[in-house]
Amino acid sequence: QQQVKQSPQSLIVQKGGIPIINCAYENTAFDYFPWYQQFPGKGPALLIAIRPDVSEKKEGRFTISFNKSAKQFSLHIMDSQPGDSATYFCAASMMGNQFYFGTGTSLTVIP
Amino acid sequence: DADVTQTPRNRITKTGKRIMLECSQTKGHDRMYWYRQDPGLGLRLIYYSFDVKDINKGEISDGYSVSRQAQAKFSLSLESAIPNQTALYFCATRAGLGNEQFFGPGTRLTVL
Repeated sequence: QQQVKQSPQSLIVQKGGIPIINCAYENTAFDYFPWYQQFPGKGPALLIAIRPDVSEKKEGRFTISFNKSAKQFSLHIMDSQPGDSATYFCAASMMGNQFYFGTGTSLTVIP
Repeated sequence: DADVTQTPRNRITKTGKRIMLECSQTKGHDRMYWYRQDPGLGLRLIYYSFDVKDINKGEISDGYSVSRQAQAKFSLSLESAIPNQTALYFCATRAGLGNEQFFGPGTRLTVL
């Protein structure tokens, strides 16, 4: 059973657009929610992460919005660029033990 | 040099063969993980280890075994490979007090 559900599976936006990727979880014991970015032929790399005691975190053009009551969190990419084209994974963990990943979103930013 | 290395990077094998994938790290992290990635399924945890004497099963450990030979080395074995194990395999490390996982470049395994 998928611990973290991610949508959409794929996303195409124009340069400058704001793609939004959504994730939902059930286990309220999760206390750490990272987003990973993966380019073709590479391993995933941490992009940004949030803990459930805050509702939003920004790092550059990337923002996580977190809704604890709804058990949902999302990634927003401001002013998206062709170089942002990659696969994005959300994840969740509790006390830094097992990490559960979403199924991934393939993002294409058209110039 | 890469902090997390995986060998081989690509491997084609036949059903029933035993195969070992190796992971080495120079980050000094005590925690190591093995994941497999399949299209549409994301990353799924196979095994993880918090130190040399600690091995834990993940979501999908059936058909796999691991060995933590040293703090820096964590190997994944397929005792009798089957076509269903065709996937991209990633090793990752994490510091004990940190949350970020650092992934290797992956091994693409094909079982015919």
